[in-house]
Order: sequence, then structure tokens, then C-alpha cells
Amino acid sequence: DAKTTQPPSMDCAEGRAANLPCNHSTISGNEYVYWYRQIHSQGPQYIIHGLKNNETNEMASLIITEDRKSSTLILPHATLRDTAVYYCIVRVPYGSSNTGKLIFGQGTTLQVKP
Amino acid sequence: GAVVSQHPSWVICKSGTSVKIECRSLDFQATTMFWYRQFPKQSLMLMATSNEGSKATYEQGVEKDKFLINHASLTLSTLTVTSAHPEDSSFYICSVNGRGTSGRAKLREQYFGPGTRLTVT
Repeated sequence: DAKTTQPPSMDCAEGRAANLPCNHSTISGNEYVYWYRQIHSQGPQYIIHGLKNNETNEMASLIITEDRKSSTLILPHATLRDTAVYYCIVRVPYGSSNTGKLIFGQGTTLQVKP
Repeated sequence: GAVVSQHPSWVICKSGTSVKIECRSLDFQATTMFWYRQFPKQSLMLMATSNEGSKATYEQGVEKDKFLINHASLTLSTLTVTSAHPEDSSFYICSVNGRGTSGRAKLREQYFGPGTRLTVT
């Protein structure tokens, strides 16, 4: 699996958009970009994933650059409950020829402040 | 999302004893489950891939004789920490691949359990 690079920490004001960057310059053509987050002492929670198109769901938006070498996770209106460690992972999805295992980097600790 | 449970949520054991942690997929069948370990202020480290009906695949540096994995059914995988020592104290987390067939599991997503806090005294 390709490696990702994320800033170790970021702050965001409550109610503002949180933009979390991720570099994945060695991503392969069949690898997806996944975002998970982990709130203290809990299991990771899936947020969103994408291949090359921008994606949006009820939690966040994912913007992937045209060359796919970087992406940004956007939490449109951050709340205090969004304080967590956010992990950007690239991986080939689970299928007949691979297990789809996730390899976690160090992630970005997002602190949402009142 | 799909529900994955772990039992127990926390356990304290004495050095030299063995501890079994269960991971259950509650609303879909899983041929593959994963076990992670996380030390304080560190990221998750993949320990092994649990395969239903066959031997687990361990990551480099993980002792297979110390961390026994049994994936006895499509909804249950167990991790046994044998002869536990204080350095095995950690947060153990399992995860399951979604199968996209029924229930709330979506293909290409991976679902995590709530974790088990192990403390070895």
C-alpha cells in the first residue's frame, strides 16, 4: 500500500470548516483514498472514500486532485465532537484477489475549539 | 454502519496468564477479519489477518505463537494473548470487511469494533 503524509495536528474553530490535507504521491491507479477517524479510546470510524471523483456524504466531503497525488477531507461545520485523530489511507479495496487490509499512518489530530 | 462487537471491553490479568478477546460481526458474515494493536499516543498497528476456516496471516514481527487467532465461524474471530506480560498491555481492536450483500455493510468499507483495553499486571 502507498504511504500517506498528513500534518500531525490542526486546530479549527467550532462552526468553521475543517480542511485536512493528505499527500499520497505514490498512489497506484487501483488504490482508493479512505478517511477514518478515531475518537479517544474508541475504534476507528469510517468517514468517506473515493477513487478520483470528489465525494460527499452526510459526514464530510472528499476532494481529490486531478493527478490523485493529494486529497483534502472537509468537515463543513466542525463541532466539538469532531475532535479526533483523522487517518488518510490509500488501499486497494477488498476483493477476490486481496484482503483489503488497512495500514494506518500517524494521522492528524484535529482539535476543535469553542 | 455495520455493527462489530468485542468482548470484553476491558480486562486486567496477571503476568503469565492467557487472555482471550472475541470479535463478532453482528449483522453480516465476514470471511476476513483483522486484528490491530494500539499503544498510548500511537497509531494502530496491524497484527494479523484472520481468515475463516484457515490459518491467520501475521504481519512481520508479530509472534504467531504468542497471539493465537482462531476464526471459527463467519461471525466470530478470537485473539488469545498467551503468557501475557506487562508489555502486552495495549488497546486491541478488530475490524471486518463489508460484503455489500445484505444488512448495513457496504462493499469497500471496513468496520471496526470498539476495542478491548488489556492491562497486564
